[in-house]
Amino acid sequence: GAVVSQHPSWVICKSGTSVKIECRSLDFQATTMFWYRQFPKQSLMLMATSNEGSKATYEQGVEKDKFLINHASLTLSTLTVTSAHPEDSSFYICSAQLQGFSYNEQFFGPGTRLTVL
Amino acid sequence: GDSVTQMEGPVTLSEEAFLTINCTYTATGYPSLFWYVQYPGEGLQLLLKATKADDKGSNKGFEATYRKETTSFHLEKGSVQVSDSAVYFCAISNTGTASKLTFGTGTRLQVTL
Repeated sequence: GAVVSQHPSWVICKSGTSVKIECRSLDFQATTMFWYRQFPKQSLMLMATSNEGSKATYEQGVEKDKFLINHASLTLSTLTVTSAHPEDSSFYICSAQLQGFSYNEQFFGPGTRLTVL
Repeated sequence: GDSVTQMEGPVTLSEEAFLTINCTYTATGYPSLFWYVQYPGEGLQLLLKATKADDKGSNKGFEATYRKETTSFHLEKGSVQVSDSAVYFCAISNTGTASKLTFGTGTRLQVTL
């Protein structure tokens, strides 16, 4: 099946630093990838839709200057949390969309746990 | 906006017990409905889906029926196994594809021998 990886799987950083998270589709090309954020015991919240070769589309309430998304190739999207603060600590999950004949399915990465001290 | 409500866990069952995880939704129009499963240390995987009223999605012994009149999509399995232990997410999409999914909070299932 289609596999999506994320790197790193966990990261701890100091407040004020920036952190980059990579999302890769390993065996298929994805023009569209999605970034989600999950708080403990809460649902996945869509942050943004990442489109290869164009700007990401952010959901309402998500700061695009805070969460920089770059989808530079058909297999890689990156999320950079800039000037991270403790409230940015969360579980970040990406997915890559595989376009099918009649249905587009999302394949999810295993997630990245970010802790900001 | 769209929303999904699913029963809180954890749900603990003995092997071969019957499983039901309730899911109800609020949405405009006719959303597509999904159940995703997340095994420990892995990403979410699509378990089953239904795209119109009265459709039944099924996979690996799990079933869920799209009930428009009750806006529900309850997940069932007749006989669970230890290997079914995971977190189950109900989700909806109003775009006709799997784009822009709205998820429930997830229900952790623990199956014991």
